[in-house]
Amino acid sequence: EAQVTQNPRYLITVTGKKLTVTCSQNMNHEYMSWYRQDPGLGLRQIYYSMNVEVTDKGDVPEGYKVSRKEKRNFPLILESPSPNQTSLYFCASSRTSTGGSYEQYFGPGTRLTVT
Amino acid sequence: AQSVTQPDIHITVSEGASLELRCNYSYGATPYLFWYVQSPGQGLQLLLKYFSGDTLVQGIKGFEAEFKRSQSSFNLRKPSVHWSDAAEYFCAVAPYNTDKLIFGTGTRLQVFP
Repeated sequence: EAQVTQNPRYLITVTGKKLTVTCSQNMNHEYMSWYRQDPGLGLRQIYYSMNVEVTDKGDVPEGYKVSRKEKRNFPLILESPSPNQTSLYFCASSRTSTGGSYEQYFGPGTRLTVT
Repeated sequence: AQSVTQPDIHITVSEGASLELRCNYSYGATPYLFWYVQSPGQGLQLLLKYFSGDTLVQGIKGFEAEFKRSQSSFNLRKPSVHWSDAAEYFCAVAPYNTDKLIFGTGTRLQVFP
């Protein structure tokens, strides 16, 4: 089954404790992206990757890191989480095209609470 | 800058009633347009998309959307809503020549029996 998986699904942590949210896709997609969803703000892009070893900032990258060492995986790293990073996080993947025409497939989400 | 506006934060309809969710975008050219649905506790699922051609597009679950260039709109419609349609709906645009998706703030749909 084609899917994007994220782990963990739920996480409660404390300020400053480094954490990683994993994302994996089995569709051989080149493009992967991380979003955060906050009430009244919709989804905002954090980082994206066009392919292995190619990553770039989205609209709200502060406080986050990513890496793309393998095509299927795109982990999101919070080196020193703060309460304002409490949010619902989604990973997505798609094929790329210069026209941006490919559907993005979303993972089930990770609900992060930072106290 | 490109943007997407969903003016209705929350809509309530009775089961069996028709539905229209509004979406307006701001972009210099015709972007690629999408509607996604997010059921409670779930990720986002694509309902339909518009790239070019026929301005009325059909999607899954009986939804359709109409692209109106003159109004910069891409409204989502369904002739008869089912209780299972209760969810949050997001309009999104992908500017031409990018893979970036810009989302609206979402419309939460509540369906009464």
